[in-house]
Amino acid sequence: QVTLKESGPVLVKPTETLTLTCTVSGFSLSNARMGVSWIRQPPGKALEWLAHIFSNDEKSYSTSLKSRLTISKDTSKSQVVLTMTNMDPVDTATYYCARMNIPAYGDYLRDNWFDPWGQGTLVTVSS
Amino acid sequence: QSVLTQPPSVSEAPRQRVTISCSGSSSNIGNNAVNWYQQLPGKAPKLLIYYDDLLPSGVSDRFSGSKSGTSASLAISGLQSEDEADYYCAAWDDRLNGVVFGGGTKLTVL
Repeated sequence: QVTLKESGPVLVKPTETLTLTCTVSGFSLSNARMGVSWIRQPPGKALEWLAHIFSNDEKSYSTSLKSRLTISKDTSKSQVVLTMTNMDPVDTATYYCARMNIPAYGDYLRDNWFDPWGQGTLVTVSS
Repeated sequence: QSVLTQPPSVSEAPRQRVTISCSGSSSNIGNNAVNWYQQLPGKAPKLLIYYDDLLPSGVSDRFSGSKSGTSASLAISGLQSEDEADYYCAAWDDRLNGVVFGGGTKLTVL
């Protein structure tokens, strides 16, 4: 059974750095046909993609948040870590990690999909 | 201000059919696969349709996806109360070099 679980602080102060960990099971982060993405959702709002990382350590970031984000992985621990610097109240959201599935056909970037998703973790930014 | 445009809400009676549209551009839907996600109230999103029109194992065949040019659609037939949820389309955007989501559509089964 494939599962992903997010962990990290529930509350962070403005200007602090957020560190979130996604622990996966049921698949390996070294699998060339898979990757992990981070997606967030402010309360009552839409989903927003943040970053992804593939087995070969290729990474990509949201254009609007690129300067604040860092994604990395520890294959031996089955963990993907996302850090976001200079947190602001507008960053209050539920943060999800999801497995990216790369098809045998098509393009690994343009044709992948998120499945499954973790349960999400709500992070509140407040002083 | 989402890159992909969806209607904020749709509603239909039980047992009827509803479609949800997702409009984009040549940098996303026009050249890349579209995926659909269902988010039940208080839950994490779940994959509903991938690669434009493929149904994941375990998803009811009442759900179907299609794409034409720079627009995609999700159709749900035989509506049931359990289908009440938020639905999101998503695709890779070549110009932004990232995944873009629609603003989400809230489905109400009357």
